[in-house]
Amino acid sequence: DIQMTQSPSSLSASVGDRVSINCRTSQNINTSLNWYQQRPGKAPKLLIYAASTLESGVPSRFSGSGSGTDFTLTITSLQAEDYVSYYCQHSGSTVTFGGGTKVEIK
Amino acid sequence: QMRLEQSGAEVKKPGAAVKVSCKSFGYTFTGYYMHWVRQAPGQGLEWVGRINPSSGDTTYAQKFQDRVIMTRETSIRTAYMELSSLRPDDTAIYYCARINDWNDAFDLWGQGTLVIVSS
Repeated sequence: DIQMTQSPSSLSASVGDRVSINCRTSQNINTSLNWYQQRPGKAPKLLIYAASTLESGVPSRFSGSGSGTDFTLTITSLQAEDYVSYYCQHSGSTVTFGGGTKVEIK
Repeated sequence: QMRLEQSGAEVKKPGAAVKVSCKSFGYTFTGYYMHWVRQAPGQGLEWVGRINPSSGDTTYAQKFQDRVIMTRETSIRTAYMELSSLRPDDTAIYYCARINDWNDAFDLWGQGTLVIVSS
């Protein structure tokens, strides 16, 4: 099974900051990597699929990059509503999630 | 309006079983695999398994292989996940989620079902 290492597990940033969250996989998955945002008490919401394609309706301050084994979710100009948790995910023969990153107010 | 509607919260004793349902609305139920994902309190997302609603074929995470059964009833567009031999560390929110096979991403989620295992 593919292992996914997401980092950092938490980060502190100010409104307006640029933040990056990383996901590393144990095998080459090309661009088969998705990113989700999860608000407290809610189901995850798809932000980015296929490593870099923004889901419809998602603000353009969110972007994804990477291929192979290293991927990045970037939020430019952090907004108040972005202080939640984020997960990377891969679908193969099984499904794997990264450990999650909680974005906190600095 | 596409949505997944899950059954309500459950409280179970250790050793018991729980069966959670997930009813689909607004799309062709048999056209998309249904997955189950759980989240323990304060923890991350953990994949439990999936079912092909068309064929009934299932794939389970190795961790749950001997305790989980996923089924479906196509006539009422509903998927089920039954977890047996419950332990306190099975306490979690259980989500059903549809995977979109053209991008392999979870694009539709249920609201979650809280399962509490406590003596």
